[in-house]
Amino acid sequence: GAGVSQTPSNKVTEKGKYVELRCDPISGHTALYWYRQSLGQGPEFLIYFQGTGAADDSGLPNDRFFAVRPEGSVSTLKIQRTERGDSAVYLCASSLSGREGETQYFGPGTRLLVL
Amino acid sequence: AQSVTQLDSQVPVFEEAPVELRCNYSSSVSVYLFWYVQYPNQGLQLLLKYLSGSTLVKGINGFEAEFNKSQTSFHLRKPSVHISDTAEYFCAVQKTSYDKVIFGPGTSLSVIP
Repeated sequence: GAGVSQTPSNKVTEKGKYVELRCDPISGHTALYWYRQSLGQGPEFLIYFQGTGAADDSGLPNDRFFAVRPEGSVSTLKIQRTERGDSAVYLCASSLSGREGETQYFGPGTRLLVL
Repeated sequence: AQSVTQLDSQVPVFEEAPVELRCNYSSSVSVYLFWYVQYPNQGLQLLLKYLSGSTLVKGINGFEAEFNKSQTSFHLRKPSVHISDTAEYFCAVQKTSYDKVIFGPGTSLSVIP
């Protein structure tokens, strides 16, 4: 079956611009997660959705970052006034219900480069 | 807060040799433990996880890991590696009451023919 998909696969933008990154989770998965992975590091948690609501957004670094999931399926991560330090791979994952210990299924990521 | 340490950033090993990738965690409460693998240009994939019960956990592709509570470790092992095992391996921890999953910095395994 279809896994988690993310678009675009690569995004190059200029400092100060606005970007949107899209995640399409596995059908039927109510939990959705966004992570950021910098070079040479493990994924760093950003935000967790349970259905349409953000259950935990404690990982968002500042108010330039925002994410939505209006219909409980597709999610969009939005970054305003991008900075060079935002360059990283943004990963999306989904799981069936969000219970502790549940396997998360990851997408291939969006590689963001801010020039 | 939980944290994960993977002391070896890079591990080169010859094909068909055994390998151990080390993972230590710190937490004051009970945790679940995971190993994920990231093949080049692919998303992370679960290798195995420890939730409860037997401390020896078997996963996909011949990998296994042993949970050691007293040493707060969850080392990953494989008795004989293949070229196709070349990848980045991430250890991760999550509190048993809801909390986000915390990933370690990763270990790059390179299998040499």
